[in-house]
Amino acid sequence: GESVGLHLPTLSVQEGDNSIINCAYSNSASDYFIWYKQESGKGPQFIIDIRSNMDKRQGQRVTVLLNKTVKHLSLQIAATQPGDSAVYFCAENNGDYKLSFGAGTTVTVRA
Amino acid sequence: NAGVMQNPRHLVRRRGQEARLRCSPMKGHSHVYWYRQLPEEGLKFMVYLQKENIIDESGMPKERFSAEFPKEGPSILRIQQVVRGDSAAYFCASSETSGSTYEQYFGPGTRLTVT
Repeated sequence: GESVGLHLPTLSVQEGDNSIINCAYSNSASDYFIWYKQESGKGPQFIIDIRSNMDKRQGQRVTVLLNKTVKHLSLQIAATQPGDSAVYFCAENNGDYKLSFGAGTTVTVRA
Repeated sequence: NAGVMQNPRHLVRRRGQEARLRCSPMKGHSHVYWYRQLPEEGLKFMVYLQKENIIDESGMPKERFSAEFPKEGPSILRIQQVVRGDSAAYFCASSETSGSTYEQYFGPGTRLTVT
């Protein structure tokens, strides 16, 4: 079965609010996790990554949290903007080159 | 500084025809990966290539699919005798080197429709 998955397929958020997108993984050997953003008709775009020896990493308006105890990953987007509307994928890498993607969460920002 | 380039962006083929998808990696990248995305699903790894070598094709169907990355020119994903189930978006990614440390940069994809 899938080793990486997302809790909710869709998320609707008011512009300016914070968004939280969740992801569960089952492979405890995974040591590297990445969040990608995919806009309609485009390829996945790297947002932020985190290694298994960390539990939090911050970027510009985004924060990734990793809870290895429950094998859970989340992406927080601060002050969500219309341009954040997209499908968000978490992906895992267990030490080699293969990325395993979850099914994705569609984020829709309401004006 | 061009990113990963893929062409064509859209490809329509009738059942039984051949599809050829091309990928030019980012400048300086010698590692290429192909992924397939079915509607409403995440990307699935197909094959990993370096120049003139197939490193891992474990995600690629044994029949009808093949991939190459010649010394000169783009990487090619070839699908022979296409069937409706081959309709999907095919993404190519490239990296400077291999392993979990190095980011894979994705191209815009080729959307294959089999009629």
